[in-house]
Amino acid sequence: AQTVTQSQPEMSVQEAETVTLSCTYDTSESDYYLFWYKQPPSRQMILVIRQEAYKQQNATENRFSVNFQKAAKSFSLKISDSQLGDAAMYFCAYSLYSSASKIIFGSGTRLSIRP
Amino acid sequence: GAGVSQTPSNKVTEKGKYVELRCDPISGHTALYWYRQSLGQGPEFLIYFQGTGAADDSGLPNDRFFAVRPEGSVSTLKIQRTERGDSAVYLCASSSKYPTSGGYNEQFFGPGTRLTVL
Repeated sequence: AQTVTQSQPEMSVQEAETVTLSCTYDTSESDYYLFWYKQPPSRQMILVIRQEAYKQQNATENRFSVNFQKAAKSFSLKISDSQLGDAAMYFCAYSLYSSASKIIFGSGTRLSIRP
Repeated sequence: GAGVSQTPSNKVTEKGKYVELRCDPISGHTALYWYRQSLGQGPEFLIYFQGTGAADDSGLPNDRFFAVRPEGSVSTLKIQRTERGDSAVYLCASSSKYPTSGGYNEQFFGPGTRLTVL
């Protein structure tokens, strides 16, 4: 069975600084997606970034980038130039490489931004 | 509407009662997913519809939970004989049959229904 583990329940960062959120996962599959989702107090899950397992290049979306280590089954999220609007719950997630597949989420990391 | 909508936003019920939670997916999306998010946890998969049929219901916790999507659009999650442990946020997501960016069928989430069982 696939599992996703986030070992940091809470993180805090100074505004404009950089923070890294950690995630490990377990799977026996070779083709899959990994994601980071943001969930603000409004409860709506927002996709931040996606990584295909077959791609060696780390995904980047503006201030958000990942460090994908397939052999180590590690998938961390780096947020550069942190902004107050980045404060939220962040979930690491996994799904099979399929046109339609359930998403398996980690337990989340609450990120707070210090002004 | 532009996004996935869920009603009601909040639902408070008493133990043993029956509840229905509604999800309106993005127009034209054929796939629809239900997830349950308990306090302090990540969402957990419940059931997935492709069109009108449940393609995967492996996440439903027991036979008190049931979901339908009779016309392939709106879906209703039904919970019988509610228990206090059913208290959670119930999230719905939908995706298109056609891949979007990078060949991926992104799941778009609604704001959820917070269910409280007293």
